[in-house]
Amino acid sequence: DTGVSQDPRHKITKRGQNVTFRCDPISEHNRLYWYRQTLGQGPEFLTYFQNEAQLEKSRLLSDRFSAERPKGSFSTLEIQRTEQGDSAMYLCASSLERAEKEQFFGPGTRLTVL
Amino acid sequence: SQQGEEDPQALSIQEGENATMNCSYKTSINNLQWYRQNSGRGLVHLILIRSNEREKHSGRLRVTLDTSKKSSSLLITASRAADTASYFCARSTDSWGKLQFGAGTQVVVTP
Repeated sequence: DTGVSQDPRHKITKRGQNVTFRCDPISEHNRLYWYRQTLGQGPEFLTYFQNEAQLEKSRLLSDRFSAERPKGSFSTLEIQRTEQGDSAMYLCASSLERAEKEQFFGPGTRLTVL
Repeated sequence: SQQGEEDPQALSIQEGENATMNCSYKTSINNLQWYRQNSGRGLVHLILIRSNEREKHSGRLRVTLDTSKKSSSLLITASRAADTASYFCARSTDSWGKLQFGAGTQVVVTP
C-alpha cells in the first residue's frame, strides 16, 4: 500500500454512460498525475496537477474527459459518453514538488465499457 | 504512444538466477525510473537514476544508465518467485515530472 487510494477499484458501465473516478493522494504531495494503461502496455500520461492547478493535458484526453482537483487534495476524473475504447486501467500517482522525486501509484480503477 | 522500448518483452528464469532487462529511449531525460507491477495492480517504484549518474544499487537491484547510448538496464540478482512481475522503465523529460513509460518486460521466476 503506497498511501494513494483510488475509488472505485472496478467499474463496469454501458457505452454512453458517464463515469467518475476518485483519487486520494498522499497528503503532503502537491503533485498529482493521471495515467491510463491498456492490457500489455505501459501507462500513458493523461494529465497532472500542481496543487489545484491543472498544468498539462495529453492529446489522449479528449473533450469527453475532464479532471479536477478542487482543493489541491483529492482529484476526480470524469469520462462522459463512455466508449468501448475507454476500457482501461486508470492510474493515479502523486509526488512531492520536485521532478527528481519518485511517483507513488494507487491501485488503479479498472474500467470496462460494454 | 510509447516513447521507448524495453527488451526483452518477456523473460523466464529459475529462482536464484539473475534477470537483466534493458530500456532504450529517444529523447534526453532528467531522470529515468524503474517500476514493478504485479498482475492487475498498481506500480511500485524501484529505483530512480539521474541523468548525471551511471549506476545505482538498491538491495538486489542494480540499474545502469548510458546517456550516450540512450539506454538503461535493470539487473535483479538472485531472483525469487516473488520477483515475478512486469517491469517498466519510465523517463522524466521535463521539470514537472510526468513520466513516459515503455511497454515493459514481463518476468516470470519459477521455483
